[in-house]
Amino acid sequence: KNEVEQSPQNLTAQEGEFITINCSYSVGISALHWLQQHPGGGIVSLFMLSSGKKKHGRLIATINIQEKHSSLHITASHPRDSAVYICAVDKTSGSRLTFGEGTQLTVNP
Amino acid sequence: DAEITQSPRHKITETGRQVTLACHQTWNHNNMFWYRQDLGHGLRLIHYSYGVHDTNKGEVSDGYSVSRSNTEDLPLTLESAASSQTSVYFCASSATTNTEAFFGQGTRLTVV
Repeated sequence: KNEVEQSPQNLTAQEGEFITINCSYSVGISALHWLQQHPGGGIVSLFMLSSGKKKHGRLIATINIQEKHSSLHITASHPRDSAVYICAVDKTSGSRLTFGEGTQLTVNP
Repeated sequence: DAEITQSPRHKITETGRQVTLACHQTWNHNNMFWYRQDLGHGLRLIHYSYGVHDTNKGEVSDGYSVSRSNTEDLPLTLESAASSQTSVYFCASSATTNTEAFFGQGTRLTVV
């Protein structure tokens, strides 16, 4: 079993919908990262959080340390949000990131 | 602006050849990492470095090597390329643990 699990693996939405991507982890962590990867493109850091909630524009990330769970929400989704969203954790036992397999999001106009 | 760049962006090579992928960062970060990305797997760590002259093996290091002679560069060498090393390779850097990581644009390597 992977130490970082994301769900769903694939998600298709209509423009304007509210989207949630989930990340569960089974190890002790010091921080959790949400990353975005556009087709053929590089990987961009969206959030790094260790507690609570962060917001940037239409993106919101939350983390529940006790439940070992994080969510990434996108409000008023747009086709340009179509990308792979990757959850990664900084484990307390080491200083390298451990990644989930990613969630492929497609937002149709 | 500070950045992290990889070169080449695309490479086709033959089985058995030695290949080197370049990674250069201008963030002055101590930590640098090489990952490979394959369908059905998350990003997997190949090698990493916490500073000049420091290198460490990751979870999929067989057939790869790195060297860190200065802060800015961490080249990844495939000693004898194999078809199983066909992949997309990403370089990343971060200042320290628990800080934001910055990724390069990736290198698509095909071994034929």
